[in-house]
Amino acid sequence: NAGVMQNPRHLVRRRGQEARLRCSPVKGHSHVYWYRQLPEEGLKFMVYLQKENIIDESGMPKERFSAEFPKEGPSILRIQQVVRGDSAAYFCASSPSDSQEQYFGPGTRLTVT
Amino acid sequence: AQSVAQPEDQVNVAEGNPLTVKCTYSVSGNPYLFWYVQYPNRGLQFLLKYITGDNLVKGSYGFEAEFNKSQTSFHLKKPSALVSDSALYFCAVRDGNSGTYKYIFGTGTRLKVLA
Repeated sequence: NAGVMQNPRHLVRRRGQEARLRCSPVKGHSHVYWYRQLPEEGLKFMVYLQKENIIDESGMPKERFSAEFPKEGPSILRIQQVVRGDSAAYFCASSPSDSQEQYFGPGTRLTVT
Repeated sequence: AQSVAQPEDQVNVAEGNPLTVKCTYSVSGNPYLFWYVQYPNRGLQFLLKYITGDNLVKGSYGFEAEFNKSQTSFHLKKPSALVSDSALYFCAVRDGNSGTYKYIFGTGTRLKVLA
């Protein structure tokens, strides 16, 4: 009974490189959310996806950030040309529907040097 | 616009005493309300939710919360605190009528239960 899996758990990138964060939802869940958490702050919603569709990306920066949830495989959050301000913990959550509780992964801690 | 407030950064309580962690919200439609707990270096874990129905909601680990529509509050409570309850607690809200799927999380309240 695997929960939400995220990898890598820690990712170090130099400024200008690309970061790819992966999220495998709970088996059978077709709703995925991505959040960003800065130290001592709450979670900030980034994007909500269903299989092959972006439903709500109102929390995602317009440039450099993109997300996908393909028919097969994990959901991917991609950050191009990373900057120091992108350093944060990125959490993925999955849910069986959009009104039920979310199951969170352990997060990916991105450090940009 | 929807918002959620957790007015206390930290709550200290003695083991065995009742605890309350406060949350107030603002949405234009019907609120979907959630409480989550976060332990160090871990993801959030679901505690309880209110979507509809009874205003008093019971959840995991003996926690409960009361939905108060007139005060727009959803305070988290437990009759007798344990040291192991010490963690970071987040309240979250989504507007069930707006057509948005965006969940807004509070800034968190650190609960410290003293032995």
